[in-house]
Amino acid sequence: DIQMTQSPSSLSASVGDRVTMSCRASQTISSYLNWYQQKPGKAPKLLIFAASNLQSGVPSRFSGSGSGTDFTLTISSLQPEDFATYYCQQSYSTFTWTFGQGTKVEIK
Amino acid sequence: EVQLLESGGGLVPPGGSLRLSCAASGFTFNSYAMSWVRQAPGKGLEWVSGISGRGDSTFYADSVKGRFPISRDNSKNTLYLQMNSLRVEDTAVYYCAKDGGVAVAGLFDYWGQGTLVTVSS
Repeated sequence: DIQMTQSPSSLSASVGDRVTMSCRASQTISSYLNWYQQKPGKAPKLLIFAASNLQSGVPSRFSGSGSGTDFTLTISSLQPEDFATYYCQQSYSTFTWTFGQGTKVEIK
Repeated sequence: EVQLLESGGGLVPPGGSLRLSCAASGFTFNSYAMSWVRQAPGKGLEWVSGISGRGDSTFYADSVKGRFPISRDNSKNTLYLQMNSLRVEDTAVYYCAKDGGVAVAGLFDYWGQGTLVTVSS
């Protein structure tokens, strides 16, 4: 299976900060990379698909980049509602889709 | 508005069975593949099983293959997961998730609120 490794595992930031987090695949996955946001006790929510495409209804402060094995999720100006855990997921390896372990964004 | 509502979770002893259901609304159910994704307490996400829009193709993670048959009833807009031979390590919140197209592609654009399955004696 393709392993997905996210870094950092957690970060502290303030409202208004620019935040970046990384996701690395154990082998090339082209642009088959999706990002999800999960708040405590809630279901995950799709933010970005195919590495850089913003899901409908998601604020434009979220952006994704990368291809191959290295990917980045950026929040341009952190808002109070953005404190959550973010997961990357590869959709390249058919029927063995895997998620990263998550990056938790906490209030500084 | 897309809505997915899971039910059927609960406490079950090791070796027991449960059937999860996911009632869907707000989209043309038979036009989209569906999956089950689980999350053990305090852990990350694990894809479990998927089924095509017509229900003629099914797929499983190795961890549940042969134990958790997936099915759907398109006349009732409902997805199912029959969980057999349950193990302690199957304890998790189980989410149903809508895929982005009729084939199972691993792009989960809508999720239900989840149902908790606890396997314990």
